[in-house]
Amino acid sequence: KQEVTQIPAALSVPEGENLVLNCSFTDSAIYNLQWFRQDPGKGLTSLLLIQSSQREQTSGRLNASLDKSSGRSTLYIAASQPGDSATYLCAVETSGSRLTFGEGTQLTVNP
Amino acid sequence: GAGVSQSPSNKVTEKGKDVELRCDPISGHTALYWYRQSLGQGLEFLIYFQGNSAPDKSGLPSDRFSAERTGGSVSTLTIQRTQQEDSAVYLCASSPPPGMTDTQYFGPGTRLTVL
Repeated sequence: KQEVTQIPAALSVPEGENLVLNCSFTDSAIYNLQWFRQDPGKGLTSLLLIQSSQREQTSGRLNASLDKSSGRSTLYIAASQPGDSATYLCAVETSGSRLTFGEGTQLTVNP
Repeated sequence: GAGVSQSPSNKVTEKGKDVELRCDPISGHTALYWYRQSLGQGLEFLIYFQGNSAPDKSGLPSDRFSAERTGGSVSTLTIQRTQQEDSAVYLCASSPPPGMTDTQYFGPGTRLTVL
């Protein structure tokens, strides 16, 4: 059974810092890995999707890497802003198109 | 364009009653997914539709849960004889036909409270 773990569970940083969120998964037989953002009381917003054959994806200040063989991914956020405050969820897609999610990292960026 | 919409946004019901939750996917999206987000449980997969058929129902927690999709569009998740442990946010997502992006686009969710 696929299990996804995210570290840390919560993170509080001052504005402007670069930060790294970590995700690990137990079964390397994945199709892709996705990072989502969830704001309180809202649904999920897709940030980045990395196919299993890819190593990284970038979008603006966000960079996500994937090491499939070791079962790890990182989400790098450069020059963090208060608007980045949210819960960040990592999910892997396995057979049947289902996503298995981690518990999330709750990020607070202080002005 | 319009995103995934879900209704109602909030539902409060009494234990033992049946509830229906609705999802309208993005137009043209062939795949539709239901997930549940509970306190302390995280997000868990419930069921997946490709068109009107459900190749993977393995996430449904009990036979009180069922879902259908008609016309390759709208889906309804039905929970019969609701229990307090069914209280959660139910999220729906859709994705484009195979060969396009694998990204799943999520709706805002329905918050279900069973008293």
